[in-house]
Amino acid sequence: QSALTQPASVSGSPGQSITISCTGTSSDVGSYKLVSWYQQHPGKAPKLMIYEDSERPSGVSNRFSGSKSGNTASLTISGLQAEDEADYYCCSYAGSTTVVFGGGTKLTVV
Amino acid sequence: QAQLQQSGPGLVKPSQTLSLTCDISGDSVSSDSAAWNWIRQSPSRGLEWLGRTYYRSKWYNDYAVSVKSRLTINSDTSKNQFSLQLNSVTPEDTAVYYCARNSDAFHWYFDLWGRGTLVTVSS
Repeated sequence: QSALTQPASVSGSPGQSITISCTGTSSDVGSYKLVSWYQQHPGKAPKLMIYEDSERPSGVSNRFSGSKSGNTASLTISGLQAEDEADYYCCSYAGSTTVVFGGGTKLTVV
Repeated sequence: QAQLQQSGPGLVKPSQTLSLTCDISGDSVSSDSAAWNWIRQSPSRGLEWLGRTYYRSKWYNDYAVSVKSRLTINSDTSKNQFSLQLNSVTPEDTAVYYCARNSDAFHWYFDLWGRGTLVTVSS
């Protein structure tokens, strides 16, 4: 399986909204309601932000939301804050008991 | 609150075996809902899922195709831990290795992570 495609970087100002895309295929993103998103700060482990395309775990701010259309999933962060600056990764079940990750997107809050 | 604590050497020689252990607290390796994974991260390969183990009346393992021939994931219920053994390592196996949990084995999201272990393959 090939990695999911994410933009290398996105940026936004405090208070703005940004969207990170994650493009896969009909064999992974487009076939299952099993896309998840992770936030990773430097030197830290990834943290689950969204699961099953659009569900938010307990404790994650409602400024984070997920959606999907066809083979592309999206993570939207509204009301950007300085602490949102991090790397973000998408992940999808790809069938045959395996998962595939995106290459990651560096979010800069300017 | 569940936690995962990783341990193992940070330096492995080429052709040798990379071994890591993940101790579980606040959950059980033999949980009838969770699965226990190994994931690695390197600048060249990004995040890469390696494999997992879980218990449903018996033990099951799933492995990524890329490492299936070299990887073994085991569990130890007496110590409430699971482990990774990757054989015949090369410098390409240099990465930060994470253990992680699927709280629901069939929903494939990782809701709990260890802190990561940097493993360097070098002579």
